[in-house]
Amino acid sequence: NAGVTQTPKFQVLKTGQSMTLQCAQDMNHEYMSWYRQDPGMGLRLIHYSVGAGITDQGEVPNGYNVSRSTTEDFPLRLLSAAPSQTSVYFCASKEKTRPWPDEKLFFGSGTQLSVL
Amino acid sequence: SQQGEEDPQALSIQEGENATMNCSYKTSINNLQWYRQNSGRGLVHLILIRSNEREKHSGRLRVTLDTSKKSSSLLITASRAADTASYFCATENNAGNMLTFGGGTRLMVKP
Repeated sequence: NAGVTQTPKFQVLKTGQSMTLQCAQDMNHEYMSWYRQDPGMGLRLIHYSVGAGITDQGEVPNGYNVSRSTTEDFPLRLLSAAPSQTSVYFCASKEKTRPWPDEKLFFGSGTQLSVL
Repeated sequence: SQQGEEDPQALSIQEGENATMNCSYKTSINNLQWYRQNSGRGLVHLILIRSNEREKHSGRLRVTLDTSKKSSSLLITASRAADTASYFCATENNAGNMLTFGGGTRLMVKP
């Protein structure tokens, strides 16, 4: 299994441009999520999904859209990039939500995004 | 605002010493987890402790949870240079659909 795969690894955008960060997992996990990590800080949840066709907002959803048309894929869209969205983005998945016992997250290797 | 806050923010020790990191949180939780992040990489799960547990061990890791004080600690015994990384605590809400991370502790283990 490849686990959680994120593409691209690096991206530079100009203010106002749009783009999609890709995330795919091959573990048949129901739950997928997107986090952003700013320098010296922990991760903040952007959006999450508990299954195909179901998405919900996290702590910092403004400026981002998501969709979940398949179990495997969970793309993150930046509608109009702003310098404040410069960050490292991580996709993560887990098998199920409660009451299942295996509740740990599996992370991708991240996408480093710079918005100029 | 972040649910979990770690203390200290940075820790430097010699190889062979023990490292202790603390985490405090604000609201009720389903479980508390610790993750490790090597520089420039994704996070890797280390250990999970449920809200009805008080202590858990995994290899050189020992985690405690005090729900009355809303705090947890991670102890790494007999540290190695390879333990150099950032360590994050994360709390899962009761619905199991959100995991909230603290700001992390940067651990440096000197050979």
